[in-house]
Amino acid sequence: NAGVMQNPRHLVRRRGQEARLRCSPMKGHSHVYWYRQLPEEGLKFMVYLQKENIIDESGMPKERFSAEFPKEGPSILRIQQVVRGDSAAYFCASSPILTGTSGYEQYFGPGTRLTVT
Amino acid sequence: QQQVKQSPQSLIVQKGGISIINCAYENTAFDYFPWYQQFPGKGPALLIAIRPDVSEKKEGRFTISFNKSAKQFSLHIMDSQPGDSATYFCAASKGNTGFQKLVFGTGTRLLVSP
Repeated sequence: NAGVMQNPRHLVRRRGQEARLRCSPMKGHSHVYWYRQLPEEGLKFMVYLQKENIIDESGMPKERFSAEFPKEGPSILRIQQVVRGDSAAYFCASSPILTGTSGYEQYFGPGTRLTVT
Repeated sequence: QQQVKQSPQSLIVQKGGISIINCAYENTAFDYFPWYQQFPGKGPALLIAIRPDVSEKKEGRFTISFNKSAKQFSLHIMDSQPGDSATYFCAASKGNTGFQKLVFGTGTRLLVSP
């Protein structure tokens, strides 16, 4: 039973380039969340998606960041024209459908560590 | 605005001792409180979680104590082992919104000395 998968694990980009981070949720999970972790800090919510829908993007910077979860394939977090401040670990989490008393759990992937030079 | 406050920032405990990490929240709409364990270079791993309808939950050496009136919850690690050395995060979310946007504390770095 594979867990949440993320790739690449490490990504180096020069300022101004684009970064694409991929996330495949656990089997049977239809909810995907993206979080960002800056060095020595906690995780901050960015966006919540279901298949083909962005449900909540209240944590996403207004510019340069976008996310999608297509009908087929992994969820993608895209950062255009990266800057040094985008250097962080980006984690994806997935959860099953919420049904009253279950489905609250979120399971995290290993993360993508983005370094902007 | 930090909705979940976690303390201490770091903690050193001797092997066999009890590790205690505390969190306080502000939003009374929160109804799910998980704890995550994170090793360097890894993703957070769900350790144990509690809903506000119970005051305590125990799984092995890990116990969550929950005080709804004080809006506080804590993680107790009994018989702490060197392998428990990691960063621990508390979190909270609101289930009645239909999705689980987790609000995290700032983390506690635990070191269990041999």
